Amino acid sequence: AQKVTQAQTEISVVEKEDVTLDCVYETRDTTYYLFWYKQPPSGELVFLIRRNSFDEQNEISGRYSWNFQKSTSSFNFTITASQVVDSAVYFCALSEAYYGQNFVFGPGTRLSVLP
Amino acid sequence: GAGVSQSPRYKVAKRGQDVALRCDPISGHVSLFWYQQALGQGPEFLTYFQNEAQLDKSGLPSDRFFAERPEGSVSTLKIQRTQQEDSAVYLCASSLAGTSGDYNEQFFGPGTRLTVL
Repeated sequence: AQKVTQAQTEISVVEKEDVTLDCVYETRDTTYYLFWYKQPPSGELVFLIRRNSFDEQNEISGRYSWNFQKSTSSFNFTITASQVVDSAVYFCALSEAYYGQNFVFGPGTRLSVLP
Repeated sequence: GAGVSQSPRYKVAKRGQDVALRCDPISGHVSLFWYQQALGQGPEFLTYFQNEAQLDKSGLPSDRFFAERPEGSVSTLKIQRTQQEDSAVYLCASSLAGTSGDYNEQFFGPGTRLTVL
């Protein structure tokens, strides 16, 4: 069975601090996809990144970086020099299927960046 | 429009009423997904369409929930005899689902917030 755990329910940081959001997943498949989505107060889910199970290379995109470690089944997300606009709920998700069905989301981490 | 649209954005229903939620996917997107997001939770998969075919409805919580996509574009999620536990945000997503070998990301709509009194 698939499962995604985000142990941090809420995190508060002061602007310009770095923050890491944790994600641990469970799957029996050897081929799977991991995602991070941002959900601002407007409610729409915004795609941030996709990673497939064969690509463990870490990725950096501006202030965002992702650390994928299959050995610990983790896919953590770090925001460097956080900004108030980063305040949102962040979801980690797992898909075992090629076309995206059976998308399993974690419970989310609410990030508040204070000025 | 450029993105996935959903209507209405907000719906209040009395317990026992039937409701219909609409999703307009991105033009040309083959796959369409419905999710239910309870307050403070992550979205949970309800059902999946490829064109007009409903390929997976394993997430529908009861037989009061019904989804259709008769012409392979617009989809409607219908909930009959609504109950308070149906209160949630219902999200729709679409993806291109081509055969190029690349994973097709899901694009989400803004959701419909359903409140059952």
